[in-house]
Amino acid sequence: DQQVKQNSPSLSVQEGRISILNCDYTNSMFDYFLWYKKYPAEGPTFLISISSIKDKNEDGRFTVFLNKSAKHLSLHIVPSQPGDSAVYFCAASGGANTGNQFYFGTGTSLTVIP
Amino acid sequence: DTGVSQNPRHKITKRGQNVTFRCDPISEHNRLYWYRQTLGQGPEFLTYFQNEAQLEKSRLLSDRFSAERPKGSFSTLEIQRTEQGDSAMYLCASSPRQGNYGYTFGSGTRLTVV
Repeated sequence: DQQVKQNSPSLSVQEGRISILNCDYTNSMFDYFLWYKKYPAEGPTFLISISSIKDKNEDGRFTVFLNKSAKHLSLHIVPSQPGDSAVYFCAASGGANTGNQFYFGTGTSLTVIP
Repeated sequence: DTGVSQNPRHKITKRGQNVTFRCDPISEHNRLYWYRQTLGQGPEFLTYFQNEAQLEKSRLLSDRFSAERPKGSFSTLEIQRTEQGDSAMYLCASSPRQGNYGYTFGSGTRLTVV
């Protein structure tokens, strides 16, 4: 039962343009959401988070949007850079209500073309 | 502190052998997690420790798997009688005591069962 879904396995974007990565979840108990970035042969690296009390969080070129009614979040990268090429995972947790763990999507591989 | 450390980085073993992996979390983090990631999938939760207490275990953690965190510091994950299906990246992560924080992941141990 995949509670966090990333329906786009891959995305290609030109350098300087916006990258939009999408994520959907099914469990209404989730109240904290993260995006991780992963390079080959490395562990995931924390990128940005958002709590369910907010609908937007921004950190430099990265912005995460949360639409609780649609159970949807997205990560915007503006402007995209070649170094952003990686696999991006979204993750969700409801704390003790959901087993004290984060549930991860299957990832979206982003390629930023110079 | 250099982050979460995992050893070994790579392990190749014959089917039926036992293997043990080690994780050293960030020193001030009292929560420690083990995840498994297979090709094309996101990390899947295995187990969670708060200090030395193992508080959550996934159904993925069959009786061939055991994890310990004897003094609330480093942790070990042992797989007995390995099977080819155990081939995966095993990720360890830690997080601070309080608050809804994301994890800091280690670089993982890549297990190949031949």
